Amino acid sequence: DIVLTQSPDSLAVSLGERATINCKSSQSLLYSSNNQNYIAWYQQKPGQPPKLLIYWASTRESGVPDRFSGSGSGTEFTLSISSLQAEDVAIYYCHQYYSARTFGQGTKVELK
Amino acid sequence: QVQLVESGGGVVQPGRSLRLSCVASGFTFTSYGMHWVRQAPGKGLQWVAVISYDGSNKYYADSLKGRFTISRDNSKNTLYLQMNSLRPEDTAMYYCAKDRASRAAAGSIPDSWGQGTLVTVSS
Repeated sequence: DIVLTQSPDSLAVSLGERATINCKSSQSLLYSSNNQNYIAWYQQKPGQPPKLLIYWASTRESGVPDRFSGSGSGTEFTLSISSLQAEDVAIYYCHQYYSARTFGQGTKVELK
Repeated sequence: QVQLVESGGGVVQPGRSLRLSCVASGFTFTSYGMHWVRQAPGKGLQWVAVISYDGSNKYYADSLKGRFTISRDNSKNTLYLQMNSLRPEDTAMYYCAKDRASRAAAGSIPDSWGQGTLVTVSS
């Protein structure tokens, strides 16, 4: 199984500041035939199901604010929130779909 | 809009079986793969299985292969998860989710989720 390791496990960010979450894969998620990275990012708030934010490493899902962005290739990926809002407090998960499917362990984002 | 309503959860003894259902509406069910994802209390997400839009392809998490079976009835817009030989560590909220890609043979990623059904395995 592909293992995804997120860092940090939690972070506290002030309103309006940048939040950065990393996700490292145990093997490359780049599929050479279409040059796509098979990784997505989800946001989960307490008591709610997850919400899709980003897929193909950097494509924002429809309706997702542009303060959310994804980057990276191969085995290292990043989710950034450019200017944290109160409603962004949540747990964020990376998710690979290159081989079967796995999730990272999650990163909790809180307000400082 | 997409609606997914799971049912069938509850308290079950270790070693017993349970079948979960998920009724879908608001989209063309026959065109999309479907996933099951679970979340133990206070823990992270664990992908369980995916089934293609026509039911011809099914993929499972290695750790659950052999005990869990995903299936669908396109005439009833319903997804199922048959869970056998249940263990206490199977205690979790079970979410069904619609796949993002239309008519993808191997499925893609979940893009819309139900609210989940809680399964508790305990004697």
